[in-house]
Amino acid sequence: DGGITQSPKYLFRKEGQNVTLSCEQNLNHDAMYWYRQDPGQGLRLIYYSQIVNDFQKGDIAEGYSVSREKKESFPLTVTSAQKNPTAFYLCASSGGQGRETQYFGPGTRLLVL
Amino acid sequence: GNSVTQMEGPVTLSEEAFLTINCTYTATGYPSLFWYVQYPGEGLQLLLKATKADDKGSNKGFEATYRKETTSFHLEKGSVQVSDSAVYFCALISSGAGSYQLTFGKGTKLSVIP
Repeated sequence: DGGITQSPKYLFRKEGQNVTLSCEQNLNHDAMYWYRQDPGQGLRLIYYSQIVNDFQKGDIAEGYSVSREKKESFPLTVTSAQKNPTAFYLCASSGGQGRETQYFGPGTRLLVL
Repeated sequence: GNSVTQMEGPVTLSEEAFLTINCTYTATGYPSLFWYVQYPGEGLQLLLKATKADDKGSNKGFEATYRKETTSFHLEKGSVQVSDSAVYFCALISSGAGSYQLTFGKGTKLSVIP
């Protein structure tokens, strides 16, 4: 079955630590996205990538970094510069003729110890 | 810039009641409009979409009509079930500058009681 996988489901970060969230898709989509979800605030775009080896900042990129070395993969690193990282992180992808429609993974919940 | 405003929740309904969740938007150009649904602890699933004025999106008994004159995309269902309990997000996408960035409303939590 085609889809988007995110791992881990839960992730714990210690003070000053960088952590990386995984996102993999087998939908052959060109574009991938990372969103942050906080209670009562909807989803906010962190980074997006329209093609391999290229990515752009979204609305809240500070304290985060990404890479896009493969079409299938778009990992997100939450750096120690992100002072309030506790949130639910969602990865999405889109592509083909219906590229305006984004498909989401199951999410990773990041908690700070 | 683009923005989406949807009615605040939570909304609590009895089973078989009629549902309306209001959504209005501000956007440049001709956006596409979406409703996504999120069940507890899960990611978002596309519920329905409409890509041009007067289009009606429908899925699983839910409907929404793209109203350009009122910049609205209200979600409706004639008879809700307990399994419809979830958070519903209205969103739009504007393809300006060649990118497809979704703008979301804050979400409306729906609880359906037996």
